[in-house]
Amino acid sequence: GAGVSQTPSNKVTEKGKYVELRCDPISGHTALYWYRQSLGQGPEFLIYFQGTGAADDSGLPNDRFFAVRPEGSVSTLKIQRTERGDSAVYLCASSSRGREQYFGPGTRLTVT
Amino acid sequence: AQSVAQPEDQVNVAEGNPLTVKCTYSVSGNPYLFWYVQYPNRGLQFLLKYITGDNLVKGSYGFEAEFNKSQTSFHLKKPSALVSDSALYFCAVRDIGVDNAGNMLTFGGGTRLMVKP
Repeated sequence: GAGVSQTPSNKVTEKGKYVELRCDPISGHTALYWYRQSLGQGPEFLIYFQGTGAADDSGLPNDRFFAVRPEGSVSTLKIQRTERGDSAVYLCASSSRGREQYFGPGTRLTVT
Repeated sequence: AQSVAQPEDQVNVAEGNPLTVKCTYSVSGNPYLFWYVQYPNRGLQFLLKYITGDNLVKGSYGFEAEFNKSQTSFHLKKPSALVSDSALYFCAVRDIGVDNAGNMLTFGGGTRLMVKP
């Protein structure tokens, strides 16, 4: 079946602009996760949804970052007033409750 | 707080030889341990996991991992390496906590495996 998909695959934006990154999880997976992977590092947790609600947003670095999952399926990660330090690969994963996470290919964000 | 350490940035091995990629962890509760592999410009692919039971876990592509509670380690192994195994490998831990509610994965920094013909 189809895996986790993420769009766009690449996003280049100017400092100060607003961006939205989309994640489409595996059908039927109730849990959805966002991670950020900087160059040469492992992924770092940002936020976790169980259904429509954010069950854990402790990894969001500051209030410029926000994510939604209004219908319990597709999720959007929103970044306001982007900074050069936000440049990274943003990974989305989904899972059935309590099971291993399956990752999408990621969105590479470059802030110039 | 939970953490994962992968002490080797890179592991080099000749094709056909056994390989080991090291991982140690620290959690406050019961650990769920995972290995993922990342190929260039692709997302992470799940290899295997340890939850409970047998300390030797078998996974995809001939990989296996050994859970050692006393040494808090979860090393990834393969008896005979292939050139196509060359990739970036990440160890991760999920701390389920005392209430079985934790879900986030904490990843190590990754180990690049280079298998030479």
